[in-house]
Amino acid sequence: DAGVTQSPTHLIKTRGQQVTLRCSPKSGHDTVSWYQQALGQGPQFIFQYYEEEERQRGNFPDRFSGHQFPNYSSELNVNALLLGDSALYLCASSSQGGLAINEQFFGPGTRLTVL
Amino acid sequence: KNEVEQSPQNLTAQEGEFITINCSYSVGISALHWLQQHPGGGIVSLFMLSSGKKKHGRLIATINIQEKHSSLHITASHPRDSAVYICAVRNTGNQFYFGTGTSLTVIP
Repeated sequence: DAGVTQSPTHLIKTRGQQVTLRCSPKSGHDTVSWYQQALGQGPQFIFQYYEEEERQRGNFPDRFSGHQFPNYSSELNVNALLLGDSALYLCASSSQGGLAINEQFFGPGTRLTVL
Repeated sequence: KNEVEQSPQNLTAQEGEFITINCSYSVGISALHWLQQHPGGGIVSLFMLSSGKKKHGRLIATINIQEKHSSLHITASHPRDSAVYICAVRNTGNQFYFGTGTSLTVIP
């Protein structure tokens, strides 16, 4: 049983570019949450997708957008990249819009570096 | 000021030592979580607390709601306990706030 998978593992972009990160939830899960973790910081909640809709959103600008597909996988898109967007992006899956952290299974993350 | 503060930021211990990591928060919460993050990013939930104390193996977590403080204790520490430990709270509006983490290294 595969857990949460994310791709790519690492990514390097330049300022102003756009990036798409991908996440496949754990088998049996239908909800995906995205977090940004800057170096030396705790994760910050970006948003959650359930039933192909954004259900909750943290304090992130509109440059951060997402999508959930009918197979429950999800994408995180970031436009007009800034140096400050460099971080580890974590995806977590849960069931039925579960928000409690202990209900979420985290993926290994995608390390984004913006030059 | 962060809504969740952890101390210490870094901790080095000898194998077998008793370890305490502290978390203070400033918001009203519905739950507090202790998380373990290994190198490479994977995060595992250790405890969810809303009151009192929980124990799982060598790990103990306590919370004092009145003082807005929680502690994570590790008894008989082992090198495999080396990781970053993160305190996170969920407020009554379902917003999450994370501490910056405590990096623990246990030396054999």
